[in-house]
Amino acid sequence: DIVMTQTPLSLSVTPGQPASISCTSSESLLHSDGKTYLYWYLQKPGQSPQLLIYEASIRFSGAPDRFSGSGSGTDFTLRISRVEAEDVGVYYCMQGMNLFNFGPGTKVDIK
Amino acid sequence: VQLVESGGALVQPGGSLRLSCAASGFAFNTYVMTWVRQAPGKGLEWVSAISANGVNTYYAGAVKGRFTISRDNSKDTVYLQMSRLRVEDSALYYCSKNTAHEDWGRGTLVTVSS
Repeated sequence: DIVMTQTPLSLSVTPGQPASISCTSSESLLHSDGKTYLYWYLQKPGQSPQLLIYEASIRFSGAPDRFSGSGSGTDFTLRISRVEAEDVGVYYCMQGMNLFNFGPGTKVDIK
Repeated sequence: VQLVESGGALVQPGGSLRLSCAASGFAFNTYVMTWVRQAPGKGLEWVSAISANGVNTYYAGAVKGRFTISRDNSKDTVYLQMSRLRVEDSALYYCSKNTAHEDWGRGTLVTVSS
């Protein structure tokens, strides 16, 4: 199984400030088709998860443009350019290279 | 897009349950469908997936041999038949659309307890 790790597991951010979350996979997520099967989700309190980023860096329709994804191979980053109060929740990365596995989640709250 | 899960209940260890997910708002028969679960206060765990035509099915190791995913494209519905349930299967079960999990239902709660 591909194991996903995230750092930090908890993050407290001042509104208007940037934030970043790292995700590492135990195997490369670069497929022979040229795509990188790494996804980012946000689960707001009391809600279902929502897709933010797919294929490592493509922002999903409806995701605010303050969210961006980067990385390749086994190391990835989700960045929020300016955190807003509505961004609180738990962020998960997920690999789709070999079935699916989620990272443990990073809980983000506002200072 | 709308995904509505149902069928969750309180069941004893060793029991069985069938979950359903009714889909609408998209061409159901062209998408992979998946089940993801979340134990209370825990993270997300992928459970199972089924190809658009229902021929290919995939399972997480923790449920392989006990759970069966299926779909009825005439009813735009995906199912998860769960048997030999364990306490650790207790969770909110979500269905999601496509391998990118781009849309999610609100979930249905399964509690396995004596």
